[in-house]
Amino acid sequence: AQSVTQLGSHVSVSEGALVLLRCNYSSSVPPYLFWYVQYPNQGLQLLLKYTSAATLVKGINGFEAEFKKSETSFHLTKPSAHMSDAAEYFCAVSDQASGTYKYIFGTGTRLKVLA
Amino acid sequence: GAGVSQSPSNKVTEKGKDVELRCDPISGHTALYWYRQRLGQGLEFLIYFQGNSAPDKSGLPSDRFSAERTGESVSTLTIQRTQQEDSAVYLCASSQNLAGAQYFGAGTRLSVL
Repeated sequence: AQSVTQLGSHVSVSEGALVLLRCNYSSSVPPYLFWYVQYPNQGLQLLLKYTSAATLVKGINGFEAEFKKSETSFHLTKPSAHMSDAAEYFCAVSDQASGTYKYIFGTGTRLKVLA
Repeated sequence: GAGVSQSPSNKVTEKGKDVELRCDPISGHTALYWYRQRLGQGLEFLIYFQGNSAPDKSGLPSDRFSAERTGESVSTLTIQRTQQEDSAVYLCASSQNLAGAQYFGAGTRLSVL
């Protein structure tokens, strides 16, 4: 069965500091992995996706993530945090094994950016 | 349309009433998903539609929940005899194909009093 674990339900960083949000996955098949951001009272917006091409994936708003098979990780990073990055971030793996490709989500990490 | 559209954006209902939530996927997207997001929790899968294939209903929490989809267009999620534990944000997503990224609507916030 596929699963996703996000370490740290809350992360605080100073404005201008590195953002690192952790995601580890479990999958019996090569995974498709995604990061989404959710601003208050809004739906989920796709940040980036990994679908077995380049292991370093660049997304919107300066975010990127690196797929590391040996570590079963897909951590999200951004070199310099902006106040506007404050939101909740979800990592998801696509359930290919069932054939539906439904997403299995992590529990989310709420990012707080300090001035 | 330009994005996934959900209506209503907010719904307040009394315990025991039926509610119907609507989702308009992105035009041309064959796959449609419903998820539920309870306060302070992650998202849980409810049901999936792909073209003319039988839907995957494995995530529906009880037989009070049902969903339909007309062809590759609108979907409705119906909750009968609502309970307080049904209070949540219901999110709809669509994707162009199975391996494609899912694009989400803004959700319907359901409050059962």
